[in-house]
Amino acid sequence: NAGVTQTPKFRVLKTGQSMTLLCAQDMNHEYMYWYRQDPGMGLRLIHYSVGEGTTAKGEVPDGYNVSRLKKQNFLLGLESAAPSQTSVYFCASSSRTVKSEKLFFGSGTQLSVL
Amino acid sequence: AQKVTQAQTEISVVEKEDVTLDCVYETRDTTYYLFWYKQPPSGELVFLIRRNSFDEQNEISGRYSWNFQKSTSSFNFTITASQVVDSAVYFCALRRDTGTASKLTFGTGTRLQVTL
Repeated sequence: NAGVTQTPKFRVLKTGQSMTLLCAQDMNHEYMYWYRQDPGMGLRLIHYSVGEGTTAKGEVPDGYNVSRLKKQNFLLGLESAAPSQTSVYFCASSSRTVKSEKLFFGSGTQLSVL
Repeated sequence: AQKVTQAQTEISVVEKEDVTLDCVYETRDTTYYLFWYKQPPSGELVFLIRRNSFDEQNEISGRYSWNFQKSTSSFNFTITASQVVDSAVYFCALRRDTGTASKLTFGTGTRLQVTL
């Protein structure tokens, strides 16, 4: 009963380094999302996907790229990390069915960029 | 533009007290959806409720109740007889009725601390 799994849980990067955050869901959900959570700002949508092979920009997409090659996976990439990308990153998924329009969240990835 | 305001940054109550978390939203849409999520210390956000703009009926689920008032653009959340397990950060969120994905605009959250 895994739900949404994010790896890694913690990571420290140096400015300019790259990394990929992996999100996997086992609920056969069509939609997947990446949010970042910063103190005093709530959660903000970075990118999202409505299906395999499709992605779209959210509210704060700059500096990030995403890919959804498989329905169950949604990858978030940082090509050249900056200190402003220090944040907690949450992946979420949801079903296409309107009545069950709740997001299922992963436990988060704490990223520090030095 | 959409906006969700949770003016209460942090609330502390003693167990068994009632507590209300405020949420005020801004949108020009006539159809929209409102949500509440709970983020316990473990970090993972948990869905609590979804309400659409045409349904102003208040809802009660156990010790939880929600008061939706379009006239004041508010969607407040009340916990009756609070318990220590209610300690968490609570987020109110808003979604437009466009597209199919659940793209939410979140408030900044209210941290609730319930002590014995």
